[in-house]
Amino acid sequence: NAGVTQTPKFRVLKTGQSMTLLCAQDMNHEYMYWYRQDPGMGLRLIHYSVGEGTTAKGEVPDGYNVSRLKKQNFLLGLESAAPSQTSVYFCASRLFGTSIETQYFGPGTRLLVL
Amino acid sequence: KQEVTQIPAALSVPEGENLVLNCSFTDSAIYNLQWFRQDPGKGLTSLLLIQSSQREQTSGRLNASLDKSSGRSTLYIAASQPGDSATYLCAPHRAAGNKLTFGGGTRVLVKP
Repeated sequence: NAGVTQTPKFRVLKTGQSMTLLCAQDMNHEYMYWYRQDPGMGLRLIHYSVGEGTTAKGEVPDGYNVSRLKKQNFLLGLESAAPSQTSVYFCASRLFGTSIETQYFGPGTRLLVL
Repeated sequence: KQEVTQIPAALSVPEGENLVLNCSFTDSAIYNLQWFRQDPGKGLTSLLLIQSSQREQTSGRLNASLDKSSGRSTLYIAASQPGDSATYLCAPHRAAGNKLTFGGGTRVLVKP
């Protein structure tokens, strides 16, 4: 049981390049989330999904797209990377949205946009 | 919109002292509140989850209290150890939108 995994761990992009971050969970969770963490800003929600085939915008969705074609995977895409997207990206999942559930996090992806 | 504030932003104590970490939030309509630990360069690990109907939750040396009406939670760590050095984040789970909102964290250093 690997929990939540993220690929890649680290990436350097040039401005304007595109890339996809992959999040995978093996806990059969319905809900999945993408956050970014910046110094002094805490974690901010980018997009989330409440089930296979669904996605919704979070607090800071601009410049990102997501897809949830399979229940266990949640992809975060950057179509045209900008230096402002330099950050650490975390994926998380939870079983449903009830009050007794813990949210589980992946180890993070460090992205540097030059 | 939920605003979450954690005070202090950083804390340095000698080993053995008790730690008190504070979290305040503006929207009291929450399902629960979670405390997380984050080690440098790592992801977040859940420490405690307090449901909105609970006043406190305990796990080993950790105790978290919740006063939903006043929008406050406190994490107590008894008899601190150097291994407790990390950043601690609180995150109320707001009913509206069914999402967590994170505070900026408290960075803790426990000196041997």
